Amino acid sequence: GDSVTQMEGPVTLSEEAFLTINCTYTATGYPSLFWYVQYPGEGLQLLLKATKADDKGSNKGFEATYRKETTSFHLEKGSVQVSDSAVYFCALSESGGSYIPTFGRGTSLIVHP
Amino acid sequence: DSGVTQTPKHLITATGQRVTLRCSPRSGDLSVYWYQQSLDQGLQFLIQYYNGEERAKGNILERFSAQQFPDLHSELNLSSLELGDSALYFCASSVGPRDEKLFFGSGTQLSVL
Repeated sequence: GDSVTQMEGPVTLSEEAFLTINCTYTATGYPSLFWYVQYPGEGLQLLLKATKADDKGSNKGFEATYRKETTSFHLEKGSVQVSDSAVYFCALSESGGSYIPTFGRGTSLIVHP
Repeated sequence: DSGVTQTPKHLITATGQRVTLRCSPRSGDLSVYWYQQSLDQGLQFLIQYYNGEERAKGNILERFSAQQFPDLHSELNLSSLELGDSALYFCASSVGPRDEKLFFGSGTQLSVL
């Protein structure tokens, strides 16, 4: 079945550092890929998405590129802020299937001033 | 604020008991999803309803059941509770039955003692 694997956290960075959170996936078809973010005490919210190979999703300074050849969708940000501290979830959705997103286990990001 | 409302925010109960979690979707959304988030399993899809009908089932135990009412709110019933049922239960909603973008509530934290 479909699955998403994320790097384990927590990831601890200083403010203005470069961020990478790795995500790889296994899918039977041609999925859409997502990053969701969960701030403390809140539900998940969609951060960015990409629907086909080589697409780049971007939002709030975060970027991720759909790499079909490596089945990856790594999240990057050039300069993190304390307010980026949250849990980040990579997810996929099969357009030919149920559309229901399958999530990774989440990666906690802690940014220190 | 995602527009999805979950009540209660916290629930503490004992093994063997039965609880009901409630979810009101965003205005205009017809589809409701339930997810369970635990440290060992990550974010697991339980069940989806669309316009009052069950549409998809995931890793939902037989002790658990759900329904969506005519006013589109949904309830998740958990019975014969076990210690391992302690988790954060999320409700999410979307407009249609096959939307890739979900809007999440802030969750109900269930503690089974």
